[in-house]
Amino acid sequence: QLQLQESGPRLVKPSETLSLTCTVSGGSLSSSGYYWGWIRQPPGKGLEWIGSIYYSGRTYYNPSLKSRVTISVDTSKNQFSLKLFSVTAADTAVYYCARLMGGTIFGVLTHWSHFDYWGQGTLVTVSS
Amino acid sequence: QSALTQPPSASGSPGQSVPISCTGTSSDVGGYNYVSWYQQHPGKAPKLMIYEVSKRPSGVPVRFSGSKSGNTASLSVSGLQAEDEADYYCSSYAGSDNLVFGGGTNLTVL
Repeated sequence: QLQLQESGPRLVKPSETLSLTCTVSGGSLSSSGYYWGWIRQPPGKGLEWIGSIYYSGRTYYNPSLKSRVTISVDTSKNQFSLKLFSVTAADTAVYYCARLMGGTIFGVLTHWSHFDYWGQGTLVTVSS
Repeated sequence: QSALTQPPSASGSPGQSVPISCTGTSSDVGGYNYVSWYQQHPGKAPKLMIYEVSKRPSGVPVRFSGSKSGNTASLSVSGLQAEDEADYYCSSYAGSDNLVFGGGTNLTVL
């Protein structure tokens, strides 16, 4: 059974960088056809897609966050990571990692479909 | 990109059927058959209930069904049970490598 687990600091100061890692177990992050994503949920609010990555390192970002986000992958550790720069209180949220199903033709992404496996989520608070 | 529009709340009595709508545009819901629905209980991670408009993952009860007409997708929960009380979120592929979620609907079982 595939499992994902988020890890990283729970408290980040304003203007600093939020860093999280997702460790995948029970399966390979390098499996063809699967993408890996980050989603966040501010307290009491809805879900927001942050971005996704393929094991090759190809990244895809939400346009509204693109200027402040970097997602990377380490296939040797079966992990992928999130960095969100210059955080403010508005970035306080539960951050989830998840596996994302997508389609490609000749290596070009054609669509996203659905998130089928999720981590339990981790609350990151931005505060001084 | 804007979030998809869902009603903030919905309710029904045990055994009843309840629909939850998810309205987008021709650039997301209306343009692609890649709408999915997630159930989220308090303090828990979302769980996939429906994908590609109407497909049900293994283990999801047949009481949950999905459909789409134009720019609006719908999740229907029939034979409502107490454990169905949760928040429900829709999402859709939005073109240009983008993905968008709805604002969520809180389903109450009366």
